[in-house]
Amino acid sequence: QAGLTQPPSVSKGLRQTATLTCTGNSNNVGNQGAAWLQQHQGHPPKLLSYRNNNRPSGISERFSASRSGNTASLTITGLQPEDEADYYCSAWDSSLSAWVFGGGTKLTVL
Amino acid sequence: QVTLRESGPALVKPTQTLTLTCTFSGFSLSTSGMCVSWIRQPPGKALEWLALIDWDDDKYYSTSLKTRLTISKDTSKNQVVLTMTNMDPVDTATYYCARSYDKYAFDIWGQGTMVTVSS
Repeated sequence: QAGLTQPPSVSKGLRQTATLTCTGNSNNVGNQGAAWLQQHQGHPPKLLSYRNNNRPSGISERFSASRSGNTASLTITGLQPEDEADYYCSAWDSSLSAWVFGGGTKLTVL
Repeated sequence: QVTLRESGPALVKPTQTLTLTCTFSGFSLSTSGMCVSWIRQPPGKALEWLALIDWDDDKYYSTSLKTRLTISKDTSKNQVVLTMTNMDPVDTATYYCARSYDKYAFDIWGQGTMVTVSS
């Protein structure tokens, strides 16, 4: 089934700001909004935000999410070495009645 | 504290049926809105959603895999079971179970279980 589109990689310097994007359609991102997950190598994913900009408790305010139309974005400010990870977006697709994921973005902190 | 733990065989042969169990604690799957999904991740690749079961026993499956998947729950045991038939080497992956509330987001994940398909 159709997935969400994410750039494969993003590289930014220490203490800089990175913005990751996730493009879907009106049945998923444009309708239900997107959730963002962070995954470090060898670990399960961790939820960073959901329904566009709701953060679970314990998630740093350096992570903020937004949506414009069918594209969701995750902005990470003040990049730290521990932010180097894979980032996935996900959304419920009301047309497919299924969850869809993006292909993931590998964030490198230089 | 909400936890989920996957269990099942580490190695299966091609054409065999895989059965995975997700045992959870800290919430009830009979609570309105609660859902448990199975998601997999082949080595070095992206996450792929497989199936979801909700508090009302509604079941949803990946379009591409639905003919091979069956998800079920045992609320009294706090378990969700996934079966996948006709396993193939391309099904080699880490299989995760994860909780979601009303399809908002996967908020709690298990540690995952690695399944290798090989003869």
